[in-house]
Amino acid sequence: EAQVTQNPRYLITVTGKKLTVTCSQNMNHEYMSWYRQDPGLGLRQIYYSMNVEVTDKGDVPEGYKVSRKEKRNFPLILESPSPNQTSLYFCASSQLTGRFWELFFGEGSRLTVL
Amino acid sequence: QKEVEQDPGPLSVPEGAIVSLNCTYSNSAFQYFMWYRQYSRKGPELLMYTYSSGNKEDGRFTAQVDKSSKYISLFIRDSQPSDSATYLCAMTPSNTGNQFYFGTGTSLTVIP
Repeated sequence: EAQVTQNPRYLITVTGKKLTVTCSQNMNHEYMSWYRQDPGLGLRQIYYSMNVEVTDKGDVPEGYKVSRKEKRNFPLILESPSPNQTSLYFCASSQLTGRFWELFFGEGSRLTVL
Repeated sequence: QKEVEQDPGPLSVPEGAIVSLNCTYSNSAFQYFMWYRQYSRKGPELLMYTYSSGNKEDGRFTAQVDKSSKYISLFIRDSQPSDSATYLCAMTPSNTGNQFYFGTGTSLTVIP
């Protein structure tokens, strides 16, 4: 089954404790990205990657890091989480369908930083 | 001003009703317009997309784009309880794959 898998789905942590949210896709997509979803703000892009070893900042990259060492994996790293990073996070991969890039989302990771 | 504006609702309709969901945008460079559906505790999934202006129909769903007014709509005919979800509009200026702009989503409940 084609899917984007995120882990963990739910996490409660404390300020300053480094954490990693993993993301893996089995569709051989070159493009992957991370979004956060907050009430009233919608989905905002954190980082994206067009291919292995190629990453770039989205709209809200502060406080986050990413890496793309393999095509299928795109982990999101919070080196020193703060309460304003409490959010619902989505990983997505995409492919070009005709002229259109279709995004495939994971099921989300709900993070609470105390 | 946000690039994409969407009424968050919530919207509650009886089963069988016609539902109209709308978004406005400010960037005239947007070319591709999408609607994603997000069920509770799930990730968004693509429902429909259109390129430039015009209408597109898929079963009970119709997407409309009016670029002159910078306004897009999603119509759901004969709404079903299974349509209860949050609907997100999204748009992108090109097909480079890295610039998607999302609305905040409209929560819809279809009452049996």
